[in-house]
Amino acid sequence: ETGVTQSPTHLIKTRGQQVTLRCSSQSGHNTVSWYQQALGQGPQFIFQYYREEENGRGNFPPRFSGLQFPNYSSELNVNALELDDSALYLCASSLNRGNYGYTFGSGTRLTVV
Amino acid sequence: GDSVTQMEGPVTLSEEAFLTINCTYTATGYPSLFWYVQYPGEGLQLLLKATKADDKGSNKGFEATYRKETTSFHLEKGSVQVSDSAVYFCALRDGNNRLAFGKGNQVVVIP
Repeated sequence: ETGVTQSPTHLIKTRGQQVTLRCSSQSGHNTVSWYQQALGQGPQFIFQYYREEENGRGNFPPRFSGLQFPNYSSELNVNALELDDSALYLCASSLNRGNYGYTFGSGTRLTVV
Repeated sequence: GDSVTQMEGPVTLSEEAFLTINCTYTATGYPSLFWYVQYPGEGLQLLLKATKADDKGSNKGFEATYRKETTSFHLEKGSVQVSDSAVYFCALRDGNNRLAFGKGNQVVVIP
C-alpha cells in the first residue's frame, strides 16, 4: 500500500504570485485534509475534501482554495502570495473523513520572498 | 473552538532519563486524542491515540492516558534514547473531524 505523496518538496515563490501544491492520497482513502505549519508552530487546519466536495474549512482567507479529483488526489492553490504564507504545507489522507485515522505526507516547504 | 495546550519550551534530557510532556485540552465534547511525532525534514507520524476517557494509548515505550477529569493527555516514556529526539505534538479530533494541534515540544536526548 502506498503512502501519501506530496509535490514538490520545496518551492520558492515571489510575493503576489500563485502556487499549486499537490497531494496523492493513500490507496483506499477518500478524504484529504490540508494543514499549514509555520516555523516553530503546530499545524493549522486549512480545509478538508471528502469525495470531491469541500467538507470543512479553517480560518484561512478565500485566496486559499483546493480541489479533490475522482482518484481522491488533491491540490491546494494559494493566490496573491504573502510573506506570511511561508510554511510547511502538510496533506493528510484518511478514510471517511478521518474516522479511522490519518496518514500524513512529508509536506511541501513553501518560501515566499 | 476546541484547542490543545502543550507545556512551553524544549525538553533536553540525558539518555535513559524519564520523559514527560504535558498536554491539556479544551473541548465541548469528548474528542479523540493523539500524540504525533515529527522528525527533522519529515511529516507527522502517529505515535499513539486514545478515543475515550481512561483509555491508555501506548507505542514504542511511550504512553498517555486520557484523563477527562483533568482534561489532560500527558505523554510519558520511562527511558528515552537518542533516537527519540524529535518534535512531539498533542492533538485532538473535533466534532468536525478536524485535527487541532498544540504548538509542539522539541525533545533533545543527549548521549
